[in-house]
Amino acid sequence: IAGITQAPTSQILAAGRRMTLRCTQDMRHNAMYWYRQDLGLGLRLIHYSNTAGTTGKGEVPDGYSVSRANTDDFPLTLASAVPSQTSVYFCASSTGTGSGANVLTFGAGSRLTVL
Amino acid sequence: GQNIDQPTEMTATEGAIVQINCTYQTSGFNGLFWYQQHAGEAPTFLSYNVLDGLEEKGRFSSFLSRSKGYSYLLLKELQMKDSASYLCAPMDSNYQLIWGAGTKLIIKP
Repeated sequence: IAGITQAPTSQILAAGRRMTLRCTQDMRHNAMYWYRQDLGLGLRLIHYSNTAGTTGKGEVPDGYSVSRANTDDFPLTLASAVPSQTSVYFCASSTGTGSGANVLTFGAGSRLTVL
Repeated sequence: GQNIDQPTEMTATEGAIVQINCTYQTSGFNGLFWYQQHAGEAPTFLSYNVLDGLEEKGRFSSFLSRSKGYSYLLLKELQMKDSASYLCAPMDSNYQLIWGAGTKLIIKP
């Protein structure tokens, strides 16, 4: 089934630990994104990649890093997790980055709790 | 700064019509998206407006007025499955989506 796969679905993590959230898409979309969603707030962009080999910073990039070695994979790494990074993380992709090509397909989300 | 304003919560009756409003201020504008998000699930695409006017798609319609920085989502013949959050997201001059906090729609029998 075409779409986006995120892993893990849910994780409880001790503060200070390193964590990588995985994201894989099989739609050959050029652009990929990582968002976090917190209660009462809109989705906030962490990092994005317009095409394989390139990445960019979003609205809230501090404490997170990404890589885009190929078209399909876009992992998000928390180098040293802190409690404020407790959130639901969504990976998304789109065919392109201009106007109507920005229709996003989202993964099911990864719920992360940092204690 | 960039700002999106939509009601936090709305309640409507099954079979009725509801209009969810969204006002926005963005640095440039390249269209506006509406997404639906059921509790515990991912957002899914509903509509995209780039020109002024009404776009109808089955029971759902979306309206845009660029001069007023205003959009609404109109849901007709409400069904219980329409209970969800509805996210308004205009796109700025850099083609980045600016997300509202969403409107939680509760449908009562």
